[in-house]
This record gives sequence, C-alpha cells and structure tokens, in this order.
Amino acid sequence: NAGVTQTPKFRVLKTGQSMTLLCAQDMNHEYMYWYRQDPGMGLRLIHYSVGEGTTAKGEVPDGYNVSRLKKQNFLLGLESAAPSQTSVYFCASSIPRGRRNTEAFFGQGTRLTVV
Amino acid sequence: SQQGEEDPQALSIQEGENATMNCSYKTSINNLQWYRQNSGRGLVHLILIRSNEREKHSGRLRVTLDTSKKSSSLLITASRAADTASYFCATASGAGSYQLTFGKGTKLSVIP
Repeated sequence: NAGVTQTPKFRVLKTGQSMTLLCAQDMNHEYMYWYRQDPGMGLRLIHYSVGEGTTAKGEVPDGYNVSRLKKQNFLLGLESAAPSQTSVYFCASSIPRGRRNTEAFFGQGTRLTVV
Repeated sequence: SQQGEEDPQALSIQEGENATMNCSYKTSINNLQWYRQNSGRGLVHLILIRSNEREKHSGRLRVTLDTSKKSSSLLITASRAADTASYFCATASGAGSYQLTFGKGTKLSVIP
C-alpha cells in the first residue's frame, strides 16, 4: 500500500517556467489537499478538493492552479514560477466515503527551488 | 490567517521528562488533530480528538481539548530522544470537516 505519493521529490525551476506537481493516493479518499511549508510559517493550505471534479481555494492560492480529474490524483500547477514559490510542498488526503473525523495522510514532500 | 497557534515555538527537555505543547485556535471546529514531523519528512498523524471529547490517550500521548477556551494541549510522557521532532496541531472545520488548517508548530528537542 503506497499511501500518498508525490512526484517529483526535488525540482529547480527558473523564474517564469511552469511545472506540475502530481499527488496520487491509493486509499480511496474523498478529500485531497496541497500545502506549502516555509520556515517559521508551518503549513499553509493552497488548494483542496472534496471530491473528483471539485476544487476550492485555501489560504494562499495565488499563483497556483489545481485539477482533480480522477479521484486518486490531485495536480498542482505553477504557470509562471516566481522565487516566492520556493518552498516544500506537501500533498495530503483524508476521509474515506461515509466517514468523518479521520486523520490525513501526507506525502513525503516536493522541495521546489525557483531561481 | 492560520487557525491554530502552538506554544511554545521551541521546547528543549531532558530524556525522561514530560513535554507539554499547547494549541489555541480561533473558530469552531469538528475535531482537532496533532501531527509529528521529523526533519525533512512528511507529517505523521498522532491523535485526533473530537469537539465533544475532553481528553484522549494513546500510548505516551495525552491530549486535552477545551472548546470554551478554544485550546488544546499535547502531553508526551517519559520523553525519548526519538521524540525529537516538530509537532503541529490541525483543526478540522466545515460541514464535512474538510477544512484542515495547521498551526506553525512546536519544535521539540529531547536531549539524551
């Protein structure tokens, strides 16, 4: 059982380049999340999804787009990367169908540097 | 703004001592969760307490929740060097508990 898998694990981008981070979960979870973690800031929610085909903005959505075409995948896109988007990105999933009050499972993170 | 705020930001104790971390939040919640993060790794769930519960135990962990004060505490008893990590509280709110919001964390160092 892989749990939550993020790809890639590391990436260096030049300012203005675009990229997509992929998150895949094999637990049939309904909810998926993208967070960024910066020193001293904890985790901040970028976007989230409560089901296939749905997405919503979190606390810091500007500069990012997301898509959830398949239940098991949640993609985070950076259309034009900026140095301020240098961060560690975490994906998480939670809530099997029919349940509430369950924990979230996290991927191992993607370390992104924008130069 | 972030929902939860942990206190203290950093804590250093000797092995065998107890460690207490606090979390305050701002709005009503469905549940509150504590997570652990080892340096450079993903977060791992420790314990979940529902809004109608006041205390919960799991091994060496004890969590309390006071919804009237909008606060929670995590107690780790008989700490070990392997407990060295950052600890985060997260609050779940919204109709389906889908809004999972984290605080900034407490960095715990347990000295052997």
